[in-house]
Amino acid sequence: EVRVSESGGTLVQPGGSLRLSCAASGFSFGNYAMSWVRQAPGKGLEWVSTIGVGGDTFYADSVKGRLTISRDNSRSTLSLQMNSLSADDTAVYYCVKSYGASSPGSRYFHHWGQGTLVTVSS
Amino acid sequence: DIQMTQSPSSVSASVGDRVTVTCRASQVINTWLAWYQQKPGEAPNLLIYAASSLQSGVPSRFSGSGSGTDFTLTISSLQPEDFATYYCQQANSFPLTFGGGTKVEIK
Repeated sequence: EVRVSESGGTLVQPGGSLRLSCAASGFSFGNYAMSWVRQAPGKGLEWVSTIGVGGDTFYADSVKGRLTISRDNSRSTLSLQMNSLSADDTAVYYCVKSYGASSPGSRYFHHWGQGTLVTVSS
Repeated sequence: DIQMTQSPSSVSASVGDRVTVTCRASQVINTWLAWYQQKPGEAPNLLIYAASSLQSGVPSRFSGSGSGTDFTLTISSLQPEDFATYYCQQANSFPLTFGGGTKVEIK
């Protein structure tokens, strides 16, 4: 059974940093693109970042230069380093396994974790 | 960036009704489009990819159509478990973008 599980969400002050992690199991992690998608309270879905099987990375303009996605295939782990956080980053962050390794399958969001809440507030 | 516009933003319907949700892309995306269902307090669930391909395990009352810039999600006979919010997402190019969502409510 495919499982992805996020951790690391918490309350952080504006300007602060945080690192989210996602543990994956039940599939060959290194063969799939992985992504982060977020959802602010009461709002819609917003794509944040994707990392391909070769380590190529893509970011939403709203997070570029502040958030960094990475993967450790040996540990089947996805991470999101978050710096210079602001209230606009408050959201549930979902770790998502893509449908495939290459586009366009790598751009569909197949398996979702339950999400981890990041709250940016003083 | 490709903007995705969904309509309506909400719809009230009864069990057994046929429901149609529309998604329009700001530029041509061929058939690189997905639909997701999200229930309150839950993560989204992939329903349809490549505009019309039904994800395994998804009931056949769900269907998708369209290409280019205009797409449709249809629920042929609404069931109680279908009351949720539905999102479209373009997979044509980065940055990946979602529509604003359509909430299907009980009439």
